[in-house]
Amino acid sequence: EAQVTQNPRYLITVTGKKLTVTCSQNMNHEYMSWYRQDPGLGLRQIYYSMNVEVTDKGDVPEGYKVSRKEKRNFPLILESPSPNQTSLYFCASSLGPPSRDQPQHFGDGTRLSIL
Amino acid sequence: AQKVTQAQTEISVVEKEDVTLDCVYETRDTTYYLFWYKQPPSGELVFLIRRNSFDEQNEISGRYSWNFQKSTSSFNFTITASQVVDSAVYFCALSEGDKIIFGKGTRLHILP
Repeated sequence: EAQVTQNPRYLITVTGKKLTVTCSQNMNHEYMSWYRQDPGLGLRQIYYSMNVEVTDKGDVPEGYKVSRKEKRNFPLILESPSPNQTSLYFCASSLGPPSRDQPQHFGDGTRLSIL
Repeated sequence: AQKVTQAQTEISVVEKEDVTLDCVYETRDTTYYLFWYKQPPSGELVFLIRRNSFDEQNEISGRYSWNFQKSTSSFNFTITASQVVDSAVYFCALSEGDKIIFGKGTRLHILP
């Protein structure tokens, strides 16, 4: 089954404790992306990747890191999480970028709470 | 800056009524793409439709239809004969180079 898998689905942690949210897709997609969803703000793009070893900032990259060492995986790293990073996070993938008319396939989301 | 405006934060209609969700966008690009996504109460995000800036033909898919008007920079979404299962948050989105900009979403309640 074609899917984007995020782990964990839920995480409660404390300020400053490094965490990683994993994202994996099995569709051989080139483009992968991370979003955060906050009430009243909709979805905002954090980082995206056009292909292996190619990553770029989205609109809200501060406090986040990503890597794309393999085509299927695109982990989101919070080196020193803070309470303002409490949010619902989505990973997505597509054949190509939005500029090439490619719709995103989304994971089920990860709800992070930073205390 | 490019942006997407969904002015309707929340809409409630009675089942079987028609409802239109508005989306207005701003861009300086001559080539761009517009998308609609649905987020039902279960939380997943589901792709509904895409439209490129050169194709102003309206599209109908069952009870769903989309009206793209370049002259007014709008890409509105209409649900005909709404059903309770249409209750969800709907997002409009615009491509910005290799990035994508989402609107803040419209929460639609279909009342039985």
